[in-house]
Amino acid sequence: AQTVTQSQPEMSVQEAETVTLSCTYDTSESDYYLFWYKQPPSRQMILVIRQEAYKQQNATENRFSVNFQKAAKSFSLKISDSQLGDAAMYFCAYSRNTGNQFYFGTGTSLTVIP
Amino acid sequence: ETGVTQSPTHLIKTRGQQVTLRCSSQSGHNTVSWYQQALGQGPQFIFQYYREEENGRGNFPPRFSGLQFPNYSSELNVNALELDDSALYLCASSLGGYGNTIYFGEGSWLTVV
Repeated sequence: AQTVTQSQPEMSVQEAETVTLSCTYDTSESDYYLFWYKQPPSRQMILVIRQEAYKQQNATENRFSVNFQKAAKSFSLKISDSQLGDAAMYFCAYSRNTGNQFYFGTGTSLTVIP
Repeated sequence: ETGVTQSPTHLIKTRGQQVTLRCSSQSGHNTVSWYQQALGQGPQFIFQYYREEENGRGNFPPRFSGLQFPNYSSELNVNALELDDSALYLCASSLGGYGNTIYFGEGSWLTVV
């Protein structure tokens, strides 16, 4: 069974600093997709970044980047130059290449301190 | 703004009643998925519809049912509501295929009393 684990229920970061959110997953598949979604207080889940498992290169989107370690089944999110608007719940998610279901972790609540 | 819209945004129902939640997918998307998010938890997959057919189901009982219409909008129906059904119900749309990004609406908050 696919499981996604986020071991940090809460994290905080000073504005303009860098923070890393951790995610591990369990799968027997070799081809799959990984995602980070952000859920602000408005509750709408917003895509932050997407990684394809067959690509060795780590995905980046502006201030957001991932450290994808396939052998370790680890997928961490790094937020650089943190901004007040980055404060939200962050969910790590997994999707199989042949599956239609996303598996989500329990989330990490990120606080940005001015 | 994802282009996925859900209604109603909030509603309160009594245990045993039935509820219908609605979702309009992003333009061009033919696949709709529904997720249940309990307080303090990550979203849990209920089911997915692709071109009006159910295309996968999570671990939810049959009293959770759905429909997808020719314009790819969708409904989630829950019968015989239980207190544990209180949650945020999220609709997500995508353009078919596996591994494609899903785009979420703002959700419908259901409270069962």
